[in-house]
Amino acid sequence: GNSVTQMEGPVTLSEEAFLTINCTYTATGYPSLFWYVQYPGEGLQLLLKATKADDKGSNKGFEATYRKETTSFHLEKGSVQVSDSAVYFCALSNQAGTALIFGKGTTLSVSS
Amino acid sequence: SAVISQKPSRDICQRGTSLTIQCQVDSQVTMMFWYRQQPGQSLTLIATANQGSEATYESGFVIDKFPISRPNLTFSTLTVSNMSPEDSSIYLCSDLQEADTEAFFGQGTRLTVV
Repeated sequence: GNSVTQMEGPVTLSEEAFLTINCTYTATGYPSLFWYVQYPGEGLQLLLKATKADDKGSNKGFEATYRKETTSFHLEKGSVQVSDSAVYFCALSNQAGTALIFGKGTTLSVSS
Repeated sequence: SAVISQKPSRDICQRGTSLTIQCQVDSQVTMMFWYRQQPGQSLTLIATANQGSEATYESGFVIDKFPISRPNLTFSTLTVSNMSPEDSSIYLCSDLQEADTEAFFGQGTRLTVV
């Protein structure tokens, strides 16, 4: 079946450090891939997405590249800020109009 | 993108009571979903809310416990019935157009059962 595996947290970084959160997936066909972010006390917001192999999604300094050969969609940011502290969820959709499948989430804590 | 308003944003309820959560979308959407997020956990799909017919529930969730309504293409409710402390979670609604893969979420309802 379809599934998403992302690295366990929490991830604790100092401001301006480099961030990588690993995400791998299992799916049939060619899923769309997403990163969502959940700030404390809020719902989920779409951070970025990629719909086909080798696509790079980017937003707010975050990037992720859809790697079909390694079935991965790792999230990266070159210089994190305190305001990036949140829970990050990797997700996939294998078919239009169907519910997303989420990873377990990775908590990021950035200190100044 | 459709903007979703969900209410209440939080509530503290007595065990044995029921709470109805409302989800309003500012435009017509084909698909609406309800998720549960237990403390420190990921999102688990409860059901797909079908317009004009019974919701489609995922394994482990039943209509008697989580009745869902969807009277039109912009509104849905989820009721958490006969609550126990184990129902303390964040409940989120989500919408999606049938031809899309990108989903949008309400701000969630943080439920505490005492």
